Amino acid sequence: NAGVMQNPRHLVRRRGQEARLRCSPMKGHSHVYWYRQLPEEGLKFMVYLQKENIIDESGMPKERFSAEFPKEGPSILRIQQVVRGDSAAYFCASSPLDTSYGYTFGSGTRLTVV
Amino acid sequence: AQKVTQAQTEISVVEKEDVTLDCVYETRDTTYYLFWYKQPPSGELVFLIRRNSFDEQNEISGRYSWNFQKSTSSFNFTITASQVVDSAVYFCALTRVQGAQKLVFGQGTRLTINP
Repeated sequence: NAGVMQNPRHLVRRRGQEARLRCSPMKGHSHVYWYRQLPEEGLKFMVYLQKENIIDESGMPKERFSAEFPKEGPSILRIQQVVRGDSAAYFCASSPLDTSYGYTFGSGTRLTVV
Repeated sequence: AQKVTQAQTEISVVEKEDVTLDCVYETRDTTYYLFWYKQPPSGELVFLIRRNSFDEQNEISGRYSWNFQKSTSSFNFTITASQVVDSAVYFCALTRVQGAQKLVFGQGTRLTINP
């Protein structure tokens, strides 16, 4: 009965490298959301996905960021050619379609770009 | 558009004092959910409460209580007899009811309880 699993917990990348963040939703949850928390700030919505579909990507930066939630396997948030400003905590949450059951958050991935 | 405002950036009180964290929201939806989350220094997000806009009853859970006032679009959170372990950042959030929708978070209030 594991909750939302995010890995890695900490990720260090040099400027220009790619960062891949993984999120396995809670069992039975078909919806995944990614949020970004910049240092000393609140959480900002990035993208909402169902299996094989992006439902809402209104919070995703236009360049270098992409997300997927394949039929099999975890959801992936990919950041290409990382820059120092990408350093943040990235949280994943999952929910069933009926959100009256609530959202469950993972522990987050702390990305540091050096 | 939906918006959540937590005007108090930081609050510092002495242990055992009561403290209220304010949350004001904006939405055009007639039905919505409101949430409070706690983020302790370890960084994870801990769910505290979800409130449906239909239900304006106040709620109490141990030392925690929530005051939902639809007329003023507020959903305030009070900790009674605060403890050092309550030190954390607290976030208020809002989402639509229909379908699976994104959470809109406030900026958070950093609460420090001093011994």
